[in-house]
Amino acid sequence: KNEVEQSPQNLTAQEGEFITINCSYSVGISALHWLQQHPGGGIVSLFMLSSGKKKHGRLIATINIQEKHSSLHITASHPRDSAVYICAVRSGVAGTASKLTFGTGTRLQVTL
Amino acid sequence: NAGVTQTPKFQVLKTGQSMTLQCAQDMNHNSMYWYRQDPGMGLRLIYYSASEGTTDKGEVPNGYNVSRLNKREFSLRLESAAPSQTSVYFCASRIQGTGELFFGEGSRLTVL
Repeated sequence: KNEVEQSPQNLTAQEGEFITINCSYSVGISALHWLQQHPGGGIVSLFMLSSGKKKHGRLIATINIQEKHSSLHITASHPRDSAVYICAVRSGVAGTASKLTFGTGTRLQVTL
Repeated sequence: NAGVTQTPKFQVLKTGQSMTLQCAQDMNHNSMYWYRQDPGMGLRLIYYSASEGTTDKGEVPNGYNVSRLNKREFSLRLESAAPSQTSVYFCASRIQGTGELFFGEGSRLTVL
């Protein structure tokens, strides 16, 4: 079993839909990252969180430490949201020696 | 503000050839990383550097060497390329305090 599991692996939505991407992990963590990767492009950090909830524009990230689960929500989805969304967890002692483990990503396609 | 810059973006090598991937960041970050991304797998850490003059192995260091030339630059060298090193390589840097990650655009390497 992978330390970081994302679901679904692939997601197709129509413009305007509310989207949820899930991330479950099996180790104790100090922080969780949500990243976005456009086709053929680089990787951009969306959120880093260790508790509660963060919001940026139409994106919302939540984390439940007890349940070892995080969700990324996209409200009023748009075709430009089409990308791969990657969850990564940081475990170990905080600092540069801590380990970052990545999920395999959720591929989102938003159609008109 | 360029962020993290990687070169080259694309490279095709023959088995046994050598090459160096260059990475530079202009954000004065201490920590820098090299990852590889393969289909169906999460990003995997090759090497990292916690500060200028220090480097450490990650999960998959075999076949690679690195140099932290100065605070800005962190290069990845393949001494004798193998087809198993066909991958997309990402350089990243991290803010010490918040832990936020910044990635380069990626370098797509094909070894024939």
